[in-house]
Amino acid sequence: RKEVEQDPGPFNVPEGATVAFNCTYSNSASQSFFWYRQDCRKEPKLLMSVYSSGNEDGRFTAQLNRASQYISLLIRDSKLSDSATYLCAVKSGGGKLIFGQGTELSVKP
Amino acid sequence: GAVVSQHPSWVICKSGTSVKIECRSLDFQATTMFWYRQFPKQSLMLMATSNEGSKATYEQGVEKDKFLINHASLTLSTLTVTSAHPEDSSFYICSASKAGEGDTQYFGPGTRLTVL
Repeated sequence: RKEVEQDPGPFNVPEGATVAFNCTYSNSASQSFFWYRQDCRKEPKLLMSVYSSGNEDGRFTAQLNRASQYISLLIRDSKLSDSATYLCAVKSGGGKLIFGQGTELSVKP
Repeated sequence: GAVVSQHPSWVICKSGTSVKIECRSLDFQATTMFWYRQFPKQSLMLMATSNEGSKATYEQGVEKDKFLINHASLTLSTLTVTSAHPEDSSFYICSASKAGEGDTQYFGPGTRLTVL
């Protein structure tokens, strides 16, 4: 079993739709959780850190469920510019970031 | 800011040659640098963790004699792919973390390596 697993993509949604991504992790000792956005042939860019209390940044909401070992990302009112690959990442001991395989989102007009 | 650069941004080489990729933190001192590899449609896979002045820690399955990592200063780490083969063609990305900001990794723009 992979240490971090994500929904397989791609997600094709119309503009304005709400889309949710889930990510599960296997190491219960994981300490920090993140969502990254990666555009084609570019490096990943940090979208949000994920906290136990949940956090929101504009149209993006991230949540962490430690008991079930998953994190989620909700995008409301999706824009064409949201089209990208979304990677969840989990930090384990030693500061290593373990990434999920990514979920491709395509927002259509 | 926290800017990380990589050089070159892309490289094409012949099979059997060695390629060196540089990762620099431009405006901060990086206590730790990380090297990742990403194949098409796959996730970033951590190859090794590098601390200045000490030997890199390689992930399981990564050959340390093939992927030589040198972290000679707090602003520079290099990855040398020795005797490159077509299967080494990939997107190599480094990241760096600052002292006191344990959770944050700043990513370089990546280097696309194509081995013919």
